[in-house]
Amino acid sequence: AQSVTQLGSHVSVSEGALVLLRCNYSSSVPPYLFWYVQYPNQGLQLLLKYTTGATLVKGINGFEAEFKKSETSFHLTKPSAHMSDAAEYFCAVSEGGYQKVTFGTGTKLQVIP
Amino acid sequence: GAVVSQHPSWVICKSGTSVKIECRSLDFQATTMFWYRQFPKQSLMLMATSNEGSKATYEQGVEKDKFLINHASLTLSTLTVTSAHPEDSSFYICSAIPQKRNSYEQYFGPGTRLTVT
Repeated sequence: AQSVTQLGSHVSVSEGALVLLRCNYSSSVPPYLFWYVQYPNQGLQLLLKYTTGATLVKGINGFEAEFKKSETSFHLTKPSAHMSDAAEYFCAVSEGGYQKVTFGTGTKLQVIP
Repeated sequence: GAVVSQHPSWVICKSGTSVKIECRSLDFQATTMFWYRQFPKQSLMLMATSNEGSKATYEQGVEKDKFLINHASLTLSTLTVTSAHPEDSSFYICSAIPQKRNSYEQYFGPGTRLTVT
């Protein structure tokens, strides 16, 4: 079985400040990990993914995440928040390339000008 | 590339009627598509996995006779909500995985907002 826990349903940061969204996972096999962003009334857009290889993954819009097996974590970071980053972010895990994806409960990011 | 569309983007129907939602992969073929439901301010819950040419696999607690899924081609999957009730009102999102090897990314459609009155 697989699961995802996102710590903090709401995160507020000032524009220009560091963004840190936390995600911990549980998986019985080496996981595939994803971060998605969702704007209101829209579908999901992939920010980045980890499958194998380098544990620090860079994605779109300046986001990156690091896979830490020992901590079962895949936290999302961005050095400097932009107003356009305000959205809901979902961490997700799957147990294989074509397996179903389990989503976390989401973290709503607010960026304060 | 890798665009998934959904139609309609929103629909209002009366209780007891059926509604069909289409999910299309526009520029790739998808052996597997997924259907999710998202209630307000909640996460996505997987409803079923749709495989081209075979029966869909439903998650526990999802009524297969109520949510009919058909994956008739490599670019089209449909979800029909039969005898819709107000509690079926939700945001329905599909996703598709490209058929090419080593593509582990699900591409999501823009969603369909269903309101049952």
